[in-house]
Amino acid sequence: SAVISQKPSRDICQRGTSLTIQCQVDSQVTMMFWYRQQPGQSLTLIATANQGSEATYESGFVIDKFPISRPNLTFSTLTVSNMSPEDSSIYLCSARTGMNTEAFFGQGTRLTVV
Amino acid sequence: DAKTTQPNSMESNEEEPVHLPCNHSTISGTDYIHWYRQLPSQGPEYVIHGLTSNVNNRMASLAIAEDRKSSTLILHRATLRDAAVYYCFSWSNFGNEKLTFGTGTRLTIIP
Repeated sequence: SAVISQKPSRDICQRGTSLTIQCQVDSQVTMMFWYRQQPGQSLTLIATANQGSEATYESGFVIDKFPISRPNLTFSTLTVSNMSPEDSSIYLCSARTGMNTEAFFGQGTRLTVV
Repeated sequence: DAKTTQPNSMESNEEEPVHLPCNHSTISGTDYIHWYRQLPSQGPEYVIHGLTSNVNNRMASLAIAEDRKSSTLILHRATLRDAAVYYCFSWSNFGNEKLTFGTGTRLTIIP
């Protein structure tokens, strides 16, 4: 199993600023992902964080808005850039440790943009 | 992952069994069936997964149809803590597939 810690757990930010969310896994994982969950909605995949290379973004999400880093097998960051109130959401990190394994999720970062 | 369909919501009385259905009619032969749930204000958590045979663990049981086109998550004795959104997926255990969430089933437990 893997335990995922996300920081911060919540934040209130001014529009136009950027916030970087950290995701730390307590063991090495092969795959890391970032999701967004808007109030009352299901999770939407933003991107796959690739270790040592550029992230793979889903349709509707771009690197300029959501730059992602993954410097090693246990850590990733998601930055929400030039924020607007529409970015208010919960952002979740997820990881998979390899073959024949389930996915693990962090508790999420609740972001409010004012 | 192959498309799955679930009812939007279900209700159950506390301490009674709950059967949550999922249809995955386009599942491939090597895809596993996974169930996750999301408790209020928490990230999703793994519940159970299986391939062909029925599976049991401390949280739930998974009953898989013989043709694998549907499955049922069984909570044997629902508690208030089981109130959550339940998601099913058909997912390859051997690839690097991302997990794409549908709308899931919102389970309400009535005291």
